[in-house]
Formats: sequence, structure tokens, C-alpha cells
Amino acid sequence: LAKTTQPISMDSYEGQEVNITCSHNNIATNDYITWYQQFPSQGPRFIIQGYKTKVTNEVASLFIPADRKSSTLSLPRVSLSDTAVYYCLVGRSGGYNKLIFGAGTRLAVHP
Amino acid sequence: DGGITQSPKYLFRKEGQNVTLSCEQNLNHDAMYWYRQDPGQGLRLIYYSQIVNDFQKGDIAEGYSVSREKKESFPLTVTSAQKNPTAFYLCASSDDRVTYEQYFGPGTRLTVT
Repeated sequence: LAKTTQPISMDSYEGQEVNITCSHNNIATNDYITWYQQFPSQGPRFIIQGYKTKVTNEVASLFIPADRKSSTLSLPRVSLSDTAVYYCLVGRSGGYNKLIFGAGTRLAVHP
Repeated sequence: DGGITQSPKYLFRKEGQNVTLSCEQNLNHDAMYWYRQDPGQGLRLIYYSQIVNDFQKGDIAEGYSVSREKKESFPLTVTSAQKNPTAFYLCASSDDRVTYEQYFGPGTRLTVT
């Protein structure tokens, strides 16, 4: 299973763009990259998933370089409500997919 | 509305007692999971089930038991053999073909004294 490394914490201000980078040097050919968001005392919520290049949805963008050894979650114009823990995970789809949630990145958005 | 429900949200038990946490989903998902989260930590997998009447141990299954008699339900029993049962317990489900996208319930915070 590919291990991921991401910053423990980040700080930002309302209206700024936040980029959280995740390293996954041992990613396998058939692994996808997935990001989850978790608010205190709630279950994680799936944000975005990608395999290569760029993926964008209504919440975030995910940038994946050609070597796929890292990925960057981009949150445009954050607000106070984006304060949460963000988890980067890699794993296969289909069958049993063991998701490994590390400690994640604690993002604090300030007024 | 489709989703996952866990009850209760808070649960208090005395040491030595078994306790069962409820998890129900109406998303028609085949796969279901139980995780444990300790303060400031990530999630750790306790048990998972890919289909009714079948389940597998995760990374920290000791002291826990599960059943999967119905597709919609995946209850978790925390037994007295679990040495440190106080934690936040999360249930999740996923489509068996899209297992990287798991849907989580609101969680149950168990306190054992």
C-alpha cells in the first residue's frame, strides 16, 4: 500500500487559495488518489479523486503531475467553514480497497 | 434522503460491559466498514464487509466483533476484551466497484469508565 506524506498543519485567510501537497512516492500503476475532508466530531467526506493530470469539481481541484508521485489539492477562495482536516489517500478501486487515513493536514482558515 | 445513520451519537458504558454500535445505510451499497478514531489521529480500520454474511478483519479487530445479516446493517460490538475502547467510531459504506469513495456516518463517541 502506497504511503502518503502531507503537512501536519496549514494556516490561511479567508478568500485565499490554499494548496495542500501530498507525497506518494510508491504509488502503484492502478492506484487512484483520493482526498477527504473531516470536520470535528463528524465522519470524513469524499472531496475529489483523480488518476492523472487535473480534475476539478465544484469543491476543489486536484493536480497530479505525470510521474504521479505527488498530488496537490487546491481549494479556491477558502472561507472559515473550510477549516477542517484534509486526508490524502491512494488505493485501487473495485474489490476491497483498504483506505489508510494518516493524520491528515489540519487547515485553519482565519478571518 | 440516502445516507448512513449511526446511533447513538454518544454512548457511556462501564468497564467490563459489551456494547453494540448501530450502523444502517440505505444507499444500496454492498461494502461496509468500521473505523476507530482517537483524538488527533487518523482513522484505523476495524472490520469490513464486502457482502452479506461475509466480513474480514481490519488492522485493529481484536476486542471487536461484527455481523452482516442484512445488506443495510453492519453492527459493531465492542467487547470487554478491548483494552482501550473509549474512542470515536465511524461506519462507512461504498459501492463495491468504487471503493475509494466511502460514505461515512456521523459517528458514535463511546466513553468507557
